Amino acid sequence: DAGITQSPRHKVTETGTPVTLRCHQTENHRYMYWYRQDPGHGLRLIHYSYGVKDTDKGEVSDGYSVSRSKTEDFLLTLESATSSQTSVYFCAISGQRSHYEQYFGPGTRLTVT
Amino acid sequence: AQSVTQLDSQVPVFEEAPVELRCNYSSSVSVYLFWYVQYPNQGLQLLLKYLSGSTLVKGINGFEAEFNKSQTSFHLRKPSVHISDTAEYFCAVTPRSNDYKLSFGAGTTVTVRA
Repeated sequence: DAGITQSPRHKVTETGTPVTLRCHQTENHRYMYWYRQDPGHGLRLIHYSYGVKDTDKGEVSDGYSVSRSKTEDFLLTLESATSSQTSVYFCAISGQRSHYEQYFGPGTRLTVT
Repeated sequence: AQSVTQLDSQVPVFEEAPVELRCNYSSSVSVYLFWYVQYPNQGLQLLLKYLSGSTLVKGINGFEAEFNKSQTSFHLRKPSVHISDTAEYFCAVTPRSNDYKLSFGAGTTVTVRA
């Protein structure tokens, strides 16, 4: 298994509070991604990173921000959580030579009440 | 932009029977194609991929898929399923350019019954 961990694995938070999810990799891969998974939608890309301090938006980036200050960590922040952001969040990584092949973390289940 | 349509949201199947999961895609550029599997309460695991060459690709756990460029399809098959194949399966595509972004289908839930 690819060395990807996500923390926390489960979180319940209230509407309007900030939330940060962490993805940590031990593979030294260049590319990292944040997806959300919702029933009937599969996985949708929120943000991705192609290097330290290099990030870009995915298809559902509104309400989310990311940061990557070192290769191994990619943080996803919900500045002010809303109930529509209740979801399962997955981090993924891919390498320089096979960037098209992504490996996924175990996921974080976030509930916004 | 790319889009992926998985034609069946739920597929019930008996143990040792064959299964086929259908995936069609739309893209204005050439793509790489993937199937991922998600077991309950776990992350996604790559099942197989089509990059180039033979249109029939074999993956883990006895699964195979066939790429059909004219029909823009990438259907997944297994000749004999086990209870342990109960999972959700996702078809995904990414452009052959340096795009790095996967587009996923909505998923197909396979339930294998004894």
